[in-house]
Amino acid sequence: NAGVTQTPKFRVLKTGQSMTLLCAQDMNHEYMYWYRQDPGMGLRLIHYSVGEGTTAKGEVPDGYNVSRLKKQNFLLGLESAAPSQTSVYFCASRPVSDTQYFGPGTRLTVL
Amino acid sequence: EDQVTQSPEALRLQEGESSSLNCSYTVSGLRGLFWYRQDPGKGPEFLFTLYSAGEEKEKERLKATLTKKESFLHITAPKPEDSATYLCAASSGSARQLTFGSGTQLTVLP
Repeated sequence: NAGVTQTPKFRVLKTGQSMTLLCAQDMNHEYMYWYRQDPGMGLRLIHYSVGEGTTAKGEVPDGYNVSRLKKQNFLLGLESAAPSQTSVYFCASRPVSDTQYFGPGTRLTVL
Repeated sequence: EDQVTQSPEALRLQEGESSSLNCSYTVSGLRGLFWYRQDPGKGPEFLFTLYSAGEEKEKERLKATLTKKESFLHITAPKPEDSATYLCAASSGSARQLTFGSGTQLTVLP
C-alpha cells in the first residue's frame, strides 16, 4: 500500500493563479482531511470529508474549495491564490478508528 | 473554542538525558489525545492515542500519559535519532477533527 499520497510535492504560483492539490489514499478510508501548516502555528484544518460526495468546512476554509467525487481522492482547490496561502499543505485520512494518517505534504509558495 | 498548547517550544538534550514534553488542552468532548512525530520535510507520523485520564502507552524510549487537562510525552535515555518535532493533537466533533498544538522541537545531541 502506498498509504496517503499528495501531488504535487512543490509548487510556485503567482498571485491570482489557480491550482488544485490532489490527495489519494489506497486504504479505503471513509474520512479525509486537508490541513495547512505554518511556522509557529501548528496544523490547522481547512476542510474535511466524512465520505464520498461529502465535504465540510474546518477552522480556516476561506479561499479554498474541495471536492470528493471518488472515495479515494480528496481535491483542494485555490481559485485565486494569495500570498497568505503560502504554506505546507497536508492531507490525512482515517478509517472508522480515530487515527489519522498523513501524506508527505505539498509545499506551496504564492508570489 | 478548542485549544492545545505545547511546551517547551524547543528542547535540547544530551544523549541519555531523560525529559518530558507537555501538552495542555481545553477541548469540548475530547475523543482522544494524539501524539505524532514529524521529521523535517515530512508528514506527521502517528505515535500514540490516549483516551482516558490515567492511561499510559509506551513505545521504545517514549511513554505518553494523560490527565484530565494535560498529556506528557516522556523520553527516556534519548538518542540522536529521536530528534524531531513532536506534535500533540486533540480529537473532537462528529468527524473526529484534530486540533493541533504548535509542537516541541526536540534536539538530542550525541
